Amino acid sequence: GAVVSQHPSRVICKSGTSVKIECRSLDFQATTMFWYRQFPKKSLMLMATSNEGSKATYEQGVEKDKFLINHASLTLSTLTVTSAHPEDSSFYICSASRGANYNSPLHFGNGTRLTVT
Amino acid sequence: AQSVTQLGSHVSVSEGALVLLRCNYSSSVPPYLFWYVQYPNQGLQLLLKYTSAATLVKGINGFEAEFKKSETSFHLTKPSAHMSDAAEYFCAVSGPIQGAQKLVFGQGTRLTINP
Repeated sequence: GAVVSQHPSRVICKSGTSVKIECRSLDFQATTMFWYRQFPKKSLMLMATSNEGSKATYEQGVEKDKFLINHASLTLSTLTVTSAHPEDSSFYICSASRGANYNSPLHFGNGTRLTVT
Repeated sequence: AQSVTQLGSHVSVSEGALVLLRCNYSSSVPPYLFWYVQYPNQGLQLLLKYTSAATLVKGINGFEAEFKKSETSFHLTKPSAHMSDAAEYFCAVSGPIQGAQKLVFGQGTRLTINP
């Protein structure tokens, strides 16, 4: 079946550095990918919609200069947390869609736990 | 705007007992509704979805959910709980307003199974 691979699964970085998280669709082309952030014991918050070949669409309140999203190919989207701070520590999850209609399945990666020290 | 409310952040049942996880939605347009399961440090796996067809939806692992428009509910049930069902469960809604797959998630319900 379709699989979405997210890498790395865990990352620890120092405050002020940048971290890149990759989301790959392994056996299908994903025209759209979504990035979520999950706080401890909280729901998933949609951060942005990543569209192949165009700029990402960010949700209200999400800093686009802080969370850089690049969807350079139909199988890869990256989220870069720039100048990370401890408050950016969270669980980040991506999802990928084969198409744009409701019957297109949405597949989730296994998430990346980011810890900023 | 659409929203989802999951009643009960934590539900605990005995192995073999009925599982009932509650979800109520708010939507000004016909909703599409989903239940996802999340195991620790993993992404989400789709259990089932309602997309305006049959109101009783059967999913994987013996789960099912019934769409009740009059009650704006989409509760998840399983007749007999298994230890492997212990996880976090999320109800989600989408629709024309939010776009095809821009899901709005509920707060989640942690299901604990007692032996």
